[in-house]
Amino acid sequence: QKEVEQDPGPLSVPEGAIVSLNCTYSNSAFQYFMWYRQYSRKGPELLMYTYSSGNKEDGRFTAQVDKSSKYISLFIRDSQPSDSATYLCAMRSRITGGFKTIFGAGTRLFVKA
Amino acid sequence: DAMVIQNPRYQVTQFGKPVTLSCSQTLNHNVMYWYQQKSSQAPKLLFHYYDKDFNNEADTPDNFQSRRPNTSFCFLDIRSPGLGDAAMYLCATSRDQGGQGKSNQPQHFGDGTRLSIL
Repeated sequence: QKEVEQDPGPLSVPEGAIVSLNCTYSNSAFQYFMWYRQYSRKGPELLMYTYSSGNKEDGRFTAQVDKSSKYISLFIRDSQPSDSATYLCAMRSRITGGFKTIFGAGTRLFVKA
Repeated sequence: DAMVIQNPRYQVTQFGKPVTLSCSQTLNHNVMYWYQQKSSQAPKLLFHYYDKDFNNEADTPDNFQSRRPNTSFCFLDIRSPGLGDAAMYLCATSRDQGGQGKSNQPQHFGDGTRLSIL
């Protein structure tokens, strides 16, 4: 079993829809949770960064962490064609001497105009 | 703007011919990472530098080496590239302090170098 599971999609939605992206994980030591957006032929761009359980909102983006269920989500409101990209979840745990980061494989999102 | 810069964006090399990829940062972050990302896959950590200390991942082949001559620059050397090494190579940086989580910051990525092997 992978430490982080993410549905690869593709997920196709009409413009203006609410998008829900999700990851599950198995390691209860993860404390920090990130969402990255990656456009084709570009590096990942940090969207959201949260610590422990709860919600965090930034503009049209809301990140949600449920540590009891080992489940994290990213919601995109009023989705735009420019949101079409691959969305990677990432999780970080503290280890001896530093931190370990594990990425999901990414979900491809297409927002149709 | 402060950023992570990778050069070149595209690199073509021959099978078995050594190649070096470069990364520079203006963020003054103390940790620099190299990831390999193949199509439709998660980025895979190869190694990272925590300040001057090199930290290799257990499953990174010996074919991959790295150098960090100063805070701003980090290089990825592939000594004898094979066809399976064709991928996007991503450099990332973060500021971590003492492993205590007091200033844990997420990683910031460059746009990558896409390596092709002929």
